[in-house]
This record gives sequence, structure tokens and C-alpha cells, in this order.
Amino acid sequence: SQQGEEDPQALSIQEGENATMNCSYKTSINNLQWYRQNSGRGLVHLILIRSNEREKHSGRLRVTLDTSKKSSSLLITASRAADTASYFCATDTNTGNQFYFGTGTSLTVIP
Amino acid sequence: GAGVSQSPRYKVAKRGQDVALRCDPISGHVSLFWYQQALGQGPEFLTYFQNEAQLDKSGLPSDRFFAERPEGSVSTLKIQRTQQEDSAVYLCASSLVAGQQNEQFFGPGTRLTVL
Repeated sequence: SQQGEEDPQALSIQEGENATMNCSYKTSINNLQWYRQNSGRGLVHLILIRSNEREKHSGRLRVTLDTSKKSSSLLITASRAADTASYFCATDTNTGNQFYFGTGTSLTVIP
Repeated sequence: GAGVSQSPRYKVAKRGQDVALRCDPISGHVSLFWYQQALGQGPEFLTYFQNEAQLDKSGLPSDRFFAERPEGSVSTLKIQRTQQEDSAVYLCASSLVAGQQNEQFFGPGTRLTVL
């Protein structure tokens, strides 16, 4: 079963707006990663945040992590049509070798 | 480019047939993962290799699923006596170093359809 759940399941915004998606997970982690998936490029790594970090930036991406609430958020600023994709959070566990993906948020950016 | 490749890209099997899915990871990558992704869902972990050692196979759904990486590079996922519920995209990913704490590079996947 999947470790994480994303919220919302689907999000539709206008180009230029910001998009925020949230992820909740169940067990203790060492790190949390965000991935993007679209039909053209498959699954692509976006950003990794470690359990001792609270916020991380990469270009137009901002990720936060709250280990006390077992939750993370991904903010995409100044969205572009090319950001249209499904976004997944993914976590390891500190008890084994598994790697768990969430259920995903489908983002549509309207030009 | 020297990314992760998978073959075949599409496979149609009749129920009961055996299938073999191949993954060529990025050269030199220590870690290799297999995932199963059903339509509209996130990838589900199947198994993890560190070099040739299969360190975790807890995600394999049944004993019909078998994976190997005999020389620590190419990996094969074999499904015996396929069932309709095995229909999914099978994704392979590799990572430069050992463990789950690093960026994974994904292949394009093999879409398996069991009739």
C-alpha cells in the first residue's frame, strides 16, 4: 500500500498563478522527494528534502516539510503550461529498503 | 543519452503466459528499483537491488513475480502465469549510490496488458 497521499487529487489553474499541493505520509522518514510525471518525459525527480530540513528551494519550486505532522507541501510559483503533469511525493522509511509514492496530484495549467 | 532504458515498451500477454521485462540502468548505478503503476495511481514499490543483491522484495505481490540482477547491472522482472490484475506499467529506476536517500532516475516503463 502507498505511504503517502496528495491533496488535492486534481488542480486546475491559470498560467502565471501559483500551485500548491500537499502530501501526508504515515511513518518516520529519512527524506521526502517530489517527482513529476507526464506522458512526454516519464517520472522525473524534482527536489529532495531531508528530515532535518524544514524548507528547500529550487528555481520556481519551494518545498516544506513538517515531520511532527508528517506532511509536506510543494509550491510552484508563476506556473507555466509546461508544468501540466502529475506530481507525487515519495518517502523512504528508516526501517527498511522500501520507497513509497503517494497517490499524486494532477495539475493542469491553462495557457 | 545514457538514461535508464526498458524493454519492451509494450507487452500484450494472454492470461497464463510468462513474461520477462528488462531494465538497463544507468552505468555504474548501485541501486535499482522496480515499481508497478496502475492507471491513475502512484508507483508501488516492488523490489530493491544493491548491486547484484536483492535486499528487499517485500513489495512483490505474489510468488509469481521474480526479479534478478545477476551481474549488478541489467535487471529482469519475470512474471509467471500472468493474470489480468497484473496489467500495469512496470517502472525501473536506478540511483548512483546505495539506499533510498538519493534521486532516482526512471526508465520509460513497460506497459503490460494481460488479456
